[in-house]
Amino acid sequence: EPEVTQTPSHQVTQMGQEVILRCVPISNHLYFYWYRQILGQKVEFLVSFYNNEISEKSEIFDDQFSVERPDGSNFTLKIRSTKLEDSAMYFCASKDKSNYGYTFGSGTRLTVV
Amino acid sequence: GEDVEQSLFLSVREGDSSVINCTYTDSSSTYLYWYKQEPGAGLQLLTYIFSNMDMKQDQRLTVLLNKKDKHLSLRIADTQTGDSAIYFCAEPIYNQGGKLIFGQGTELSVKP
Repeated sequence: EPEVTQTPSHQVTQMGQEVILRCVPISNHLYFYWYRQILGQKVEFLVSFYNNEISEKSEIFDDQFSVERPDGSNFTLKIRSTKLEDSAMYFCASKDKSNYGYTFGSGTRLTVV
Repeated sequence: GEDVEQSLFLSVREGDSSVINCTYTDSSSTYLYWYKQEPGAGLQLLTYIFSNMDMKQDQRLTVLLNKKDKHLSLRIADTQTGDSAIYFCAEPIYNQGGKLIFGQGTELSVKP
């Protein structure tokens, strides 16, 4: 069964450093998403991406965050200058053109020290 | 506003049935979802229900949908210790890029 692949599975970074979280969505999917889950809390929407542009972003997704689909297969989330409160599990998801076909990756655990 | 509500904890004995409840907000949602998250793991799609259905059964899982009250429930029959996990209900918001809004998650604890 097709999967959404996220790398790395765990990243530790120093406060103020830039990080790039990588995702390879399912190849024929059209809609791409990033979510985050702070430890013990709910899964929060960050951003949706369709047709090579952001279709919606949440209040969390401020100027420190950016997304890219650089080569038609990867979908990346960049955090420019990490803060302690960015420590969380980050999930990538993709969806086909139907209204139900969401698939999530296994997540990247980001720890900012 | 967009808010999906769930109770936070449920504790049952092995072999009992578990019922996890959820209320959602967007009456235009075509599908509603249940995800399972085991400790330290990702989000596993457990089941979903199409909004024109009242009930969907899938082996030990039964999903009930009350559209009038915007209430969704997940029943797990013959609950096993391996069912211990956090269960999230989620609704899509189609006019906003199709993002999923998740509830807070219900932590199910199954005691032997």
